[in-house]
Amino acid sequence: DSGVTQTPKHLITATGQRVTLRCSPRSGDLSVYWYQQSLDQGLQFLIQYYNGEERAKGNILERFSAQQFPDLHSELNLSSLELGDSALYFCASSVVDRGHTEAFFGQGTRLTVV
Amino acid sequence: AQKVTQAQTEISVVEKEDVTLDCVYETRDTTYYLFWYKQPPSGELVFLIRRNSFDEQNEISGRYSWNFQKSTSSFNFTITASQVVDSAVYFCALSEAYQAGTALIFGKGTTLSVSS
Repeated sequence: DSGVTQTPKHLITATGQRVTLRCSPRSGDLSVYWYQQSLDQGLQFLIQYYNGEERAKGNILERFSAQQFPDLHSELNLSSLELGDSALYFCASSVVDRGHTEAFFGQGTRLTVV
Repeated sequence: AQKVTQAQTEISVVEKEDVTLDCVYETRDTTYYLFWYKQPPSGELVFLIRRNSFDEQNEISGRYSWNFQKSTSSFNFTITASQVVDSAVYFCALSEAYQAGTALIFGKGTTLSVSS
């Protein structure tokens, strides 16, 4: 168990809908990362928050947004969903916001858009 | 630009065989970190090892060993006496060490199948 909790584990929704994925980082970790894993794109970095502030953006679509709350949990909001958004979404956390520490991953949320 | 290449898409071995997973990286930074993660069929990503660019010593952890060679920009992973439980997708990843807001750059992964 990595200590990172993601809910829900599975989500099935229709095109055009909006969903929210939730992540609780490991105790003491201030940095939260969101990654998307799909068959064609592999594991891609979406966005990072550190202690409530956005730190870096990767290949995140404008239809997607995220935030980190004062208790350090984070939410990834996906709107106007398309079939191509079906993927495994991972949250990871680390102690600091720099790349020299390992990130620990949650079990992921498998999103299926039908 | 940073890039990680795992040329082996799939590898199949029989139990007790040794297997090496290749990883080649590209970066312009002199300070960086390399990682290996394992993704078993259950789907979670499990951290295996972190290596910094200044430490080229090979590392061994049980049946796992890692060979880091800066001269060839490679960070290969060997499993000795493979077991069925080693069946998983293995990802190599790279990150810059000290720049804020850095994330892991992953390779495409190597699917390892170990049969009994």
